[in-house]
Amino acid sequence: DAGVIQSPRHEVTEMGQEVTLRCKPISGHDYLFWYRQTMMRGLELLIYFNNNVPIDDSGMPEDRFSAKMPNASFSTLKIQPSEPRDSAVYFCASSLSRQYNEQFFGPGTRLTVL
Amino acid sequence: SQQGEEDPQALSIQEGENATMNCSYKTSINNLQWYRQNSGRGLVHLILIRSNEREKHSGRLRVTLDTSKKSSSLLITASRAADTASYFCATDEGGNNRLAFGKGNQVVVIP
Repeated sequence: DAGVIQSPRHEVTEMGQEVTLRCKPISGHDYLFWYRQTMMRGLELLIYFNNNVPIDDSGMPEDRFSAKMPNASFSTLKIQPSEPRDSAVYFCASSLSRQYNEQFFGPGTRLTVL
Repeated sequence: SQQGEEDPQALSIQEGENATMNCSYKTSINNLQWYRQNSGRGLVHLILIRSNEREKHSGRLRVTLDTSKKSSSLLITASRAADTASYFCATDEGGNNRLAFGKGNQVVVIP
């Protein structure tokens, strides 16, 4: 298995633009997580899905952030409009089950908003 | 919300020495996990210890868990330059499938 796949790996955009980050979880995993990592705040959970259904989005910072999981093999995190303070590394992770919840992380998307 | 907190935050050691990191948490857990993050990469799962376990080994890694003190330690024996990374503990917040990560320990192993 190729592991969790994220695209793009790097994104540089200007303030006000829409940004879409993509994630393909490991096949068969039923949980998918979106995290944001910054030096100041560390690793923050933004939202997670179980069987394509959003379970907890309390970590999503503002209405500018939205996430979808249209099927078991694809999820998107969208920021519209983007702001410089959104600059961070965004990770997607997936896991297989509730009782043994080791998470497998993708390589991350480094987002820079100018 | 509950969050694992590692101690110390940064550690610099010579190759061959042992590195020990600690983590404390606040609420009951089902398990505690340790992850490694190399610079510019995603986190990689190292080891999971369940709440009814006190010690677990995996290669050069040794993890202990003291639920009465709500703390865990990660020991890396005979460190190598390749062990240079940030190490995070994560707890499952008492049964929820989400994980709460600590702020991480930066470990630098000097060849």
